[in-house]
Amino acid sequence: SAVISQKPSRDICQRGTSLTIQCQVDSQVTMMFWYRQQPGQSLTLIATANQGSEATYESGFVIDKFPISRPNLTFSTLTVSNMSPEDSSIYLCSVEVRTSGTRSYEQYFGPGTRLTVT
Amino acid sequence: GQNIDQPTEMTATEGAIVQINCTYQTSGFNGLFWYQQHAGEAPTFLSYNVLDGLEEKGRFSSFLSRSKGYSYLLLKELQMKDSASYLCAVRERGGGNKLTFGTGTQLKVEL
Repeated sequence: SAVISQKPSRDICQRGTSLTIQCQVDSQVTMMFWYRQQPGQSLTLIATANQGSEATYESGFVIDKFPISRPNLTFSTLTVSNMSPEDSSIYLCSVEVRTSGTRSYEQYFGPGTRLTVT
Repeated sequence: GQNIDQPTEMTATEGAIVQINCTYQTSGFNGLFWYQQHAGEAPTFLSYNVLDGLEEKGRFSSFLSRSKGYSYLLLKELQMKDSASYLCAVRERGGGNKLTFGTGTQLKVEL
């Protein structure tokens, strides 16, 4: 398994400002992801955070709006830039762990960052 | 692309058994996950299936049929704390290990 922490746990921000969310894992992981969960909805993948290279963004998400850093195998940041009320959501960091000696993968989520933009 | 379908909500009685179904269409299946999510909390990993058959973990079991594009999560001996949203997610081959989530099934356990 993996223990994931995120900071901040929640924030209220004014439109037009930016917020950087940090994700820390207690072990080295290859695959790290950022998701968004809007109120009452399921999870949507924003991007895959790649160590040593640019993140891979999903359709509808762009680097200028959601820049991501991945300086090492245990840490990543997601910035929500030039925020608007539509960005109010829970942002979740996730990591994939492969169970040693098996074909089993487990993907774990951090506790999330609840963002409200006013 | 992928299409994942789950019932929106289900209600069951404490102590009973409930089966939550998930159907999917994908161009390159590479595993299916089930998560539990309580309101206001992050999703919690329940199970991973990549081969056909049943995987059992205590009160929870997950079944996969790749030929039918079908999975279910079986919850036995239901408890009130099992009231939550249950999310089905599919991992696609060549998709960089990313997961695509269904909309979730809201399960309500009643006395």
